[in-house]
Amino acid sequence: NAGVTQTPKFRVLKTGQSMTLLCAQDMNHEYMYWYRQDPGMGLRLIHYSVGEGTTAKGEVPDGYNVSRLKKQNFLLGLESAAPSQTSVYFCASSYFRTSGKDTQYFGPGTRLTVL
Amino acid sequence: GQQVMQIPQYQHVQEGEDFTTYCNSSTTLSNIQWYKQRPGGHPVFLIQLVKSGEVKKQKRLTFQFGEAKKNSSLHITATQTTDVGTYFCARPGKEYGNKLVFGAGTILRVKS
Repeated sequence: NAGVTQTPKFRVLKTGQSMTLLCAQDMNHEYMYWYRQDPGMGLRLIHYSVGEGTTAKGEVPDGYNVSRLKKQNFLLGLESAAPSQTSVYFCASSYFRTSGKDTQYFGPGTRLTVL
Repeated sequence: GQQVMQIPQYQHVQEGEDFTTYCNSSTTLSNIQWYKQRPGGHPVFLIQLVKSGEVKKQKRLTFQFGEAKKNSSLHITATQTTDVGTYFCARPGKEYGNKLVFGAGTILRVKS
C-alpha cells in the first residue's frame, strides 16, 4: 500500500496563476482532509470530505476549492494564487469511526511558493 | 475555531534530559490525539486518549489526559536525537463536524 500520496511535491506559482493539488489514498478511507501548515500556526484545516461527492469548509477555506469525485481522490484548487497562500499543504485521510476519534494518515506534503 | 494551547512553543534539551509538552483547552474534550512530525516530514499519529485521568506509555513516552479532560501532556524520558521534531496535540472540532483541530505544536531540539 502506498498510503496517502500527493502531487506535486513542490511548486512555484506567480500571483494570479491557478493550480490543482492532487491527493490519493489506497486505504479505502471515507474521510479526507486538506491542511496548510505555516510556521508557528500548526496545521489548519482548509476543507474536508466525509465521502465521495461531499465536501465541507474547515477553518481557513477562503481562496480554495475542493472536489471529491472519486472516493480515493481529493483535489485542492487554487483559482487565483496569492502570496499569502505560500505554505506547505498536507492531505490526510481516515476511516469512518465515531466522530472525533479518527486516526488521520498524512501524505508527504506539497511545498507551494507564490511569488 | 479555538485551538488547543500548547506549551512550550519550543524546547532545546541536552540528550538524556527529560522533556514535557502540555496541551490545554478551556472546554472539556471528548478525546485528544498526539502526533509527531519529524523535520521535513509529515505528521504521524502517536496515540489517542479518551478516558479521564488516562495514562498511556510507549517506551520512553508517557501520555496523560487530565481528570477534567481539559488538558493533556506528553513526557519523554531521557531524550534521544531520534526524538527531534514537532509534537502536536489535536482535539475534535465541533465546528467542523468533529474533525481534528490541531494545536500549534512544540518543537523539540536535542543536543548530543
